[in-house]
Amino acid sequence: GEDVEQSLFLSVREGDSSVINCTYTDSSSTYLYWYKQEPGAGLQLLTYIFSNMDMKQDQRLTVLLNKKDKHLSLRIADTQTGDSAIYFCAERLSEDSNYQLIWGAGTKLIIKP
Amino acid sequence: GAGVSQSPSNKVTEKGKDVELRCDPISGHTALYWYRQSLGQGLEFLIYFQGNSAPDKSGLPSDRFSAERTGGSVSTLTIQRTQQEDSAVYLCASSLSSGLAGQETQYFGPGTRLLVL
Repeated sequence: GEDVEQSLFLSVREGDSSVINCTYTDSSSTYLYWYKQEPGAGLQLLTYIFSNMDMKQDQRLTVLLNKKDKHLSLRIADTQTGDSAIYFCAERLSEDSNYQLIWGAGTKLIIKP
Repeated sequence: GAGVSQSPSNKVTEKGKDVELRCDPISGHTALYWYRQSLGQGLEFLIYFQGNSAPDKSGLPSDRFSAERTGGSVSTLTIQRTQQEDSAVYLCASSLSSGLAGQETQYFGPGTRLLVL
């Protein structure tokens, strides 16, 4: 079945770049998403990328998609303490399944001073 | 309202009791989703409502779980005869669900943290 995998933890120093990785199994993915969950808060959409793109940049965020390897990454430049959160990768499978997102378990980003 | 709201934010109950969790979606959003998030796990899809169509209940883990959406807006998730393994954060999301990129984006509420003792 479909699966999305992420590392559970990532620790970086404040000011460095964070790279959060995600792998997925289903090649019929249409959109891939990154959501952020801060402590005690709901999930917030950070960005998404269509499967025919290989890169998307939005301020400090860069999303890279390698469709051949089924690998998605989120790079956060100049990581700040406010970036501490759990980051979830999710994939939407086909145009018809607009509600069916397959979620990773989330990567907890820990910022060291 | 401005965003998706859920109530209560926390619920502690005893094993065997019934609980009701409420979700108020963003005004105008036709699609509403319930998810369950257990500690260290990804989101587990429970149920999906789209307009007046029959809901997709394929993710409900047992017949103790049910959900309603009245008037195409507010939704209630009911768990009967709660068990300790039901302890989790229950998240609600809504979307326009037009199928176009960015418009089907799901907006999440803060969740209800359920603890069954």
